[in-house]
Amino acid sequence: DIRMTQSPASLSASLGETVNIECLASEDIYSDLAWYQQKPGKSPQLLIYNANSLQNGVPSRFSGSGSGTQYSLKINSLQSEDVATYFCQQYNNYPWTFGGGTKLELK
Amino acid sequence: EVQLVESGGGLVQPGRSLKLSCAASGFTFSNYYMAWVRQAPKKGLEWVATISTSGSRTYYPDSVKGRFTISRDNAKSSLYLQMNSLKSEDTATYYCARHGIAFYFDYWGQGVMVTVSS
Repeated sequence: DIRMTQSPASLSASLGETVNIECLASEDIYSDLAWYQQKPGKSPQLLIYNANSLQNGVPSRFSGSGSGTQYSLKINSLQSEDVATYFCQQYNNYPWTFGGGTKLELK
Repeated sequence: EVQLVESGGGLVQPGRSLKLSCAASGFTFSNYYMAWVRQAPKKGLEWVATISTSGSRTYYPDSVKGRFTISRDNAKSSLYLQMNSLKSEDTATYYCARHGIAFYFDYWGQGVMVTVSS
């Protein structure tokens, strides 16, 4: 199975700040990577797929990048509604696997 | 608007069975692969099962293979998860999810809680 390692596990940032979350795959996943946002008490929502494609309706302050085994999610100009846990997921190889999550809080 | 509504969760004893259902609306159900994903309390996400558009192909991780069965009824726009020989580690919120063009999950239900305990 492909192991997905996210970092950091948690972070605290200020409104308006830029935030980066990393996701490292245990082998090349050829950009078959998605990012999800899960707000407290809610179900996950798709933000990014194919490493850098923005899902319809997702604000443009969210962006994804990376290739091979290293990927990142960037949030520009952090808003209060971005407080959530973020997960990455690989779908290059079955079984589909998720990272452990990054909990984002406001400073 | 895409809607996925799960039902059938609850408290069940170890070794017993439970069947979850998911009612889909707002899209052509028969055109999409569908899946179940679970999340143990305060934990991360774990993919549980996927089914092809016709139901002829199913996929499971080793953790549930042989115990869980995913199925669908395209005429009723419904997805199911039959869970047998339940264990305490199956305790989680179970989400019904739609696969996108590839095997990511583009829409999720609100989730249903399953507690396995004596």
